[in-house]
Amino acid sequence: KAGVTQTPRYLIKTRGQQVTLSCSPISGHRSVSWYQQTPGQGLQFLFEYFSETQRNKGNFPGRFSGRQFSNSRSEMNVSTLELGDSALYLCASSLAALSTDTQYFGPGTRLTVL
Amino acid sequence: GQQLNQSPQSMFIQEGEDVSMNCTSSSIFNTWLWYKQDPGEGPVLLIALYKAGELTSNGRLTAQFGITRKDSFLNISASIPSDVGIYFCAGRGNNAGNMLTFGGGTRLMVKP
Repeated sequence: KAGVTQTPRYLIKTRGQQVTLSCSPISGHRSVSWYQQTPGQGLQFLFEYFSETQRNKGNFPGRFSGRQFSNSRSEMNVSTLELGDSALYLCASSLAALSTDTQYFGPGTRLTVL
Repeated sequence: GQQLNQSPQSMFIQEGEDVSMNCTSSSIFNTWLWYKQDPGEGPVLLIALYKAGELTSNGRLTAQFGITRKDSFLNISASIPSDVGIYFCAGRGNNAGNMLTFGGGTRLMVKP
C-alpha cells in the first residue's frame, strides 16, 4: 500500500507570492492533517480535515488555508508569502478521526521563501 | 497554547548504551505518541500510549504514559548506529480530533 505522498517535494518562492501544496493520503484514509516544521518553532499543527470538513485549526493567520476533496486528497494554500513561512510542511493521514487512529506522515514539502 | 517540554535536546552516546528521554506538559493528554524523524523524511510512529500508567515496548524501545497524564518517557536499550535521528513526543488531548502537540525533539547521535 502506498504511503502518504506530498507534492512538490521542494519549492522556492518569493515574498508576496502564493503557494499551493498537495497531499494524497493513504488509500482508504479519510482524515488529513497539516503541520509546519521550523527549526525555531518545531512542529506546529495547522489544520485537520475529515470528510471534506475542517475539523480543527491551529493558531496560524488567515493566509494559511486548506481544503479536502471528495477523494480525501488535500491541498493547503499560503497567500502573500513571508520569509518566516519558509519551513517543511508535513501532511499526515489517518483512517478516520478517532483518538486511537495512527497518523502516518508524508515526507513533506520544503518551502523556501526568498 | 499547550506546550510540551522535551529533554534532553540532544544526546551523544556510545553504541551499546541505553538512552532515556522524557516529555512533560502543563496540560493533560489522553494519548502520548513517540515519533522518530530521519533527515528528509516525515516522522515515523514508534510507540503509541493510550492509558495512564501504560508501559509499552517495541523491540528495544520502551515508553510509558505517566500516571498524571502530563508526562511520558521513552527508553532505548543497547543503542545502535541506526538509532541516530530526532525523536519527538506528541500528545493528543480530549476532543482534539487528530491535532497533535509536539515536543521540541531530542537529537540522538550514536558513536560506533
